[in-house]
Amino acid sequence: NAGVTQTPKFRVLKTGQSMTLLCAQDMNHEYMYWYRQDPGMGLRLIHYSVGEGTTAKGEVPDGYNVSRLKKQNFLLGLESAAPSQTSVYFCASSRFRVATGDSYEQYFGPGTRLTVT
Amino acid sequence: DAKTTQPPSMDCAEGRAANLPCNHSTISGNEYVYWYRQIHSQGPQYIIHGLKNNETNEMASLIITEDRKSSTLILPHATLRDTAVYYCIVRVGRDYGGATNKLIFGTGTLLAVQP
Repeated sequence: NAGVTQTPKFRVLKTGQSMTLLCAQDMNHEYMYWYRQDPGMGLRLIHYSVGEGTTAKGEVPDGYNVSRLKKQNFLLGLESAAPSQTSVYFCASSRFRVATGDSYEQYFGPGTRLTVT
Repeated sequence: DAKTTQPPSMDCAEGRAANLPCNHSTISGNEYVYWYRQIHSQGPQYIIHGLKNNETNEMASLIITEDRKSSTLILPHATLRDTAVYYCIVRVGRDYGGATNKLIFGTGTLLAVQP
């Protein structure tokens, strides 16, 4: 049981380049999330998904797109990278509490450190 | 979701109890208190959560005041590996309509456990 894994661990992009970050979880969780963390700050939610085929915007969605084609995978795309997107990106997942609509605690991946020059 | 206030940093001697405070004076009746921690360069890790009763698990204890306006996370015997940023988060436990389950992270408390 690997939990939440993220690929790649590090990446350097030039301004205008595109890339996709992959998040995978093997816990059969319904909910998945993408956060970014800038130096000295807490995490901010970019996008999230409550199930396969559904996505929604978080606090800071501009410049990012996501897809959840399979329950276990959540992809984060940068179509045209900008220096302001230099950050550490964390993926998380959680179960869904059917009876109450609540979620259980979130499990986080190890992060992807992205630098845009 | 209610905002939280935490001290930016705290020190604790190894082997002693670490008591991390959190103020959440605008908390609503259906909002839970969650604690996560982030060890340097790693993803956040869930510790504990509670609504109004005190909670304990294998990692920590959570003490919530009777008026629910503040809480304290207690690490009973801090070790060097407990050095991390600790986040106190308040959020709605049940989502009506669109399920979000968002965690709104502040800047947390940097706990430094000293040998």
